Amino acid sequence: DIQMTQSPSSLSASVGDRVTITCRASQDIIRSLAWYQQKPGKVPTLLIYGASALRSGVPSRFSGSGSGTDFTLTISSLQLEDVGTYYCQMYKSAPFTFGQGTKLEIK
Amino acid sequence: EVQLVNSGGGSVQPGGSLRLSCAASGFTFSSYAMFWVRQAPGKGLEFVSAISGNGGNTYYADSLKDRFTISRDNSKNTLYLQMGSLTADDMAVYYCARATDLWGSPNWPLDNWGQGTLVTVSS
Repeated sequence: DIQMTQSPSSLSASVGDRVTITCRASQDIIRSLAWYQQKPGKVPTLLIYGASALRSGVPSRFSGSGSGTDFTLTISSLQLEDVGTYYCQMYKSAPFTFGQGTKLEIK
Repeated sequence: EVQLVNSGGGSVQPGGSLRLSCAASGFTFSSYAMFWVRQAPGKGLEFVSAISGNGGNTYYADSLKDRFTISRDNSKNTLYLQMGSLTADDMAVYYCARATDLWGSPNWPLDNWGQGTLVTVSS
């Protein structure tokens, strides 16, 4: 099975900061990677798919990059409403594993 | 509007069984693969199971395949998860979710999620 390792597990940054979260797959998953945001007490929502495609309606400060085994989610200028936990998920093959999550807080 | 409504959660004793349901509306249910994802209290998201649009292919987390069964009734636009031999480790909010591909493949991200249903395992 393919394992997904996400880092860091938690992150504290200031409004306006550039924030980067990484996700590493144990095998080549090409670009079959999605990023989700889960705000406190809410249902997860899809942000990015295909490693770098922004879902319609998602603010352009969010971006994704990478292919193969190494992927990155970047928030170019952190906003208050971005607080929450971010998860990567690979969908190349079953089981469709999630990363452990990165909890993002505002300083 | 796509809607996924979870139900069937509740409290069950260790060793017991439970069946979760997810009623879908607002889209052609049979065209989409569906997933179950769970989240234990204070923990991350965990893939549980998936099923192709026509129900012909099912997928499970390795640790759950002997106890959980996913199914769907496309005539009722409903997804199910039958869970057995439940333990405290199965306590979680269980979400159903839809994969984006309209050809029924599960190899796509999850673009719509239900509100989740809480399963508690306690004596």
